[in-house]
Amino acid sequence: LAKTTQPISMDSYEGQEVNITCSHNNIATNDYITWYQQFPSQGPRFIIQGYKTKVTNEVASLFIPADRKSSTLSLPRVSLSDTAVYYCLVGDSHAAGNKLTFGGGTRVLVKP
Amino acid sequence: SQTIHQWPATLVQPVGSPLSLECTVEGTSNPNLYWYRQAAGRGLQLLFYSVGIGQISSEVPQNLSASRPQDRQFILSSKKLLLSDSGFYLCAWTPAANEKLFFGSGTQLSVL
Repeated sequence: LAKTTQPISMDSYEGQEVNITCSHNNIATNDYITWYQQFPSQGPRFIIQGYKTKVTNEVASLFIPADRKSSTLSLPRVSLSDTAVYYCLVGDSHAAGNKLTFGGGTRVLVKP
Repeated sequence: SQTIHQWPATLVQPVGSPLSLECTVEGTSNPNLYWYRQAAGRGLQLLFYSVGIGQISSEVPQNLSASRPQDRQFILSSKKLLLSDSGFYLCAWTPAANEKLFFGSGTQLSVL
């Protein structure tokens, strides 16, 4: 299973765009890239998932370069409520015994 | 629609006592099921995962065990709790077709 590396923390201000990059050098052909958001004392919540190029939904965009060795989660115009821990997860639930292992996550603090 | 139930929400147990945490999923069949643990201020540690009834894979040696007696039921147990078993326990599931995880609300376990 591909190991992921993310920055430990990031600070931002309301209204700014936040970009979090995740490195996954050993990503396998069948692996998807999925990002989750976690607030204190809650389970992580799915944000976005992609395989290659760019994916956009109502809350975020995910940019994946051609070599797929990294990915960048982009949160446009963050608000105070976006303060949370963001996890990048790389894996294929059909292979390798269906392990889905999280990295350390990035703690994002949005300031007023 | 699918829902995941996890209980209890909080639990305080003395060292050496047994543990049983239960998780059930509704609205789907043959889900992949997961138990994660999160220590205070830390990331998510995968404890167990299951791809079917009676099929349990353990990720780390520990004082805990898991069972899946029914398709949509996943149980985390211990015969004798240790102080180090304290943490936030999360149950999660994915459809067999992809790796988008859906988490329960978690159990905050304090072993005293």
